[in-house]
Amino acid sequence: DVKVTQSSRYLVKRTGEKVFLECVQDMDHENMFWYRQDPGLGLRLIYFSYDVKMKEKGDIPEGYSVSREKKERFSLILESASTNQTSMYLCASSYTGRGLAKNIQYFGAGTRLSVL
Amino acid sequence: QKEVEQNSGPLSVPEGAIASLNCTYSDRGSQSFFWYRQYSGKSPELIMSIYSNGDKEDGRFTAQLNKASQYVSLLIRDSQPSDSATYLCAVNPYAGNMLTFGGGTRLMVKP
Repeated sequence: DVKVTQSSRYLVKRTGEKVFLECVQDMDHENMFWYRQDPGLGLRLIYFSYDVKMKEKGDIPEGYSVSREKKERFSLILESASTNQTSMYLCASSYTGRGLAKNIQYFGAGTRLSVL
Repeated sequence: QKEVEQNSGPLSVPEGAIASLNCTYSDRGSQSFFWYRQYSGKSPELIMSIYSNGDKEDGRFTAQLNKASQYVSLLIRDSQPSDSATYLCAVNPYAGNMLTFGGGTRLMVKP
């Protein structure tokens, strides 16, 4: 079974703090994604990565950065947390190659971040 | 214009009935289509994938794809209260490794 592990289920931070959200997958997937999900707004893509050290902006990258130094790990960084970044953050990974498993995204359990 | 559209619901059905969830998409070259189920406070989990026109059945779930009309649907037979969740439709466009998600349809199955 694919396992995508997010480091924290709940996190409470103060405005202005630097926040790190970690995600690790164990299936050797090439692609990794960070989303945020807010009521009424659905899933919104923040950043994704299709290879080590590669990153692409998603729909809402402002206020976020990412790091992918190893294939299995994709980190989301909030440089200076703000209250409007209070949200559920979801990490996902997927396989690029051929076959029916291609592009199926597997999600971690999510991190509910509150910025006070 | 949103690329994947779903009725947000809630769709309310009685226990034992068939729930029908619909999704339309705008990218005519889309290759693969997925249905995810998301319980409140949890992350999405894949329940069905479909790649070619027609029906695909898996237990109580049937996915239907019509590429000419650009819609994909999910039927849930013998609906159970445990099926109450938000169902997300996701589409893989022609180019790229991403999925475009719809906003989700909230399903409520009443005992």
